[in-house]
Amino acid sequence: DVKVTQSSRYLVKRTGEKVFLECVQDMDHENMFWYRQDPGLGLRLIYFSYDVKMKEKGDIPEGYSVSREKKERFSLILESASTNQTSMYLCASSRDRKNTEAFFGQGTRLTVV
Amino acid sequence: AQTVTQSQPEMSVQEAETVTLSCTYDTSESDYYLFWYKQPPSRQMILVIRQEAYKQQNATENRFSVNFQKAAKSFSLKISDSQLGDAAMYFCAYSYNFNKFYFGSGTKLNVKP
Repeated sequence: DVKVTQSSRYLVKRTGEKVFLECVQDMDHENMFWYRQDPGLGLRLIYFSYDVKMKEKGDIPEGYSVSREKKERFSLILESASTNQTSMYLCASSRDRKNTEAFFGQGTRLTVV
Repeated sequence: AQTVTQSQPEMSVQEAETVTLSCTYDTSESDYYLFWYKQPPSRQMILVIRQEAYKQQNATENRFSVNFQKAAKSFSLKISDSQLGDAAMYFCAYSYNFNKFYFGSGTKLNVKP
């Protein structure tokens, strides 16, 4: 089974802190994604990566950056956390560009105080 | 821009009954993929069913089936013989090129015993 693991299930950070959310997948998938989930808004794409060191902005990249130094790991970085970044963050991966399904991690609920 | 719309924020169904969740999408592409994902309270997103746009036949997976109307850009999910374990958030998703996935706002399904 494909496994996508997010480093934290719950996280509380202070305003202005630099925050790292880590995601690891174990199936050699090319594509990895970071989504933000908010009630009534569904999942919104923050960034995605289709190869090591390759990244593209999604629909809401402002205030976020990403890093993919190794194929299995995709990190989401909040450079200076703000209260409006309090949300559920979901990492996903998919095998390649042929529109195979996305596999999700268990999510990280981030609270910025 | 691709958009996915789920117009039913919440629905209820009696155990053993049938329920249909609606989804519409907007795209100018002719070849794409559509998905229904389930997110139970545990937060782990799970693929329920997927449909390739070039296939006219509606996808089915056990108690789950879709009604795919390509011209109308409609993709509804029918759950037959509803079970208590079907209670969850259901997200409709669209995917085209580079494997980006676009999600609707979700429908919360309650199953009454």
